[in-house]
Amino acid sequence: DTEVTQTPKHLVMGMTNKKSLKCEQHMGHRAMYWYKQKAKKPPELMFVYSYEKLSINESVPSRFSPECPNSSLLNLHLHALQPEDSALYLCASSLGLAGAYEQYFGPGTRLTVT
Amino acid sequence: AQTVTQSQPEMSVQEAETVTLSCTYDTSESDYYLFWYKQPPSRQMILVIRQEAYKQQNATENRFSVNFQKAAKSFSLKISDSQLGDAAMYFCAYSRYDKVIFGPGTSLSVIP
Repeated sequence: DTEVTQTPKHLVMGMTNKKSLKCEQHMGHRAMYWYKQKAKKPPELMFVYSYEKLSINESVPSRFSPECPNSSLLNLHLHALQPEDSALYLCASSLGLAGAYEQYFGPGTRLTVT
Repeated sequence: AQTVTQSQPEMSVQEAETVTLSCTYDTSESDYYLFWYKQPPSRQMILVIRQEAYKQQNATENRFSVNFQKAAKSFSLKISDSQLGDAAMYFCAYSRYDKVIFGPGTSLSVIP
């Protein structure tokens, strides 16, 4: 199984809502990533988990809260988002550190904040 | 800080022809990895090819090959015998430890 799954595929939420994005992989990968991608732009790294510990937080606002309950699962909790947070949120995983291993990407969650 | 530049926002190629996508990067490090990723419209991003900076030999993967010039900090991708399925956004990426930096991308169209 060489797949990274993400749910939901689409999400529309108001600025006062709380929602969560979910990412799962069963490849035994020990590094997992959250990216934000705006239309026609490259992915921007948000968070990196390495061996279930947060290793990189790219100065992301606190309204985004990552969680890695186990080595196969990665969540992104959303609260009090702004319209400019509307984007495609990509999850990725790699066997080890991204520098040495390719990343496997999920299909993304298309988030719209109203 | 490391940066990745792709100077060609859009390119097109005739089917069966060869095209080269450019990528330059800036780093003061000597050990790092470089990648080309492909993102077809509304589809998942996938790895095209990977290069280790300490290896002088250019990576190849079937119709895809790179020209890695470490001193010039250049990492171009050559696609031979272009196919319709090659149409996509191509991102060059620099990686070291957990950090991954993507270039702005090149949108490649393939003309039948």
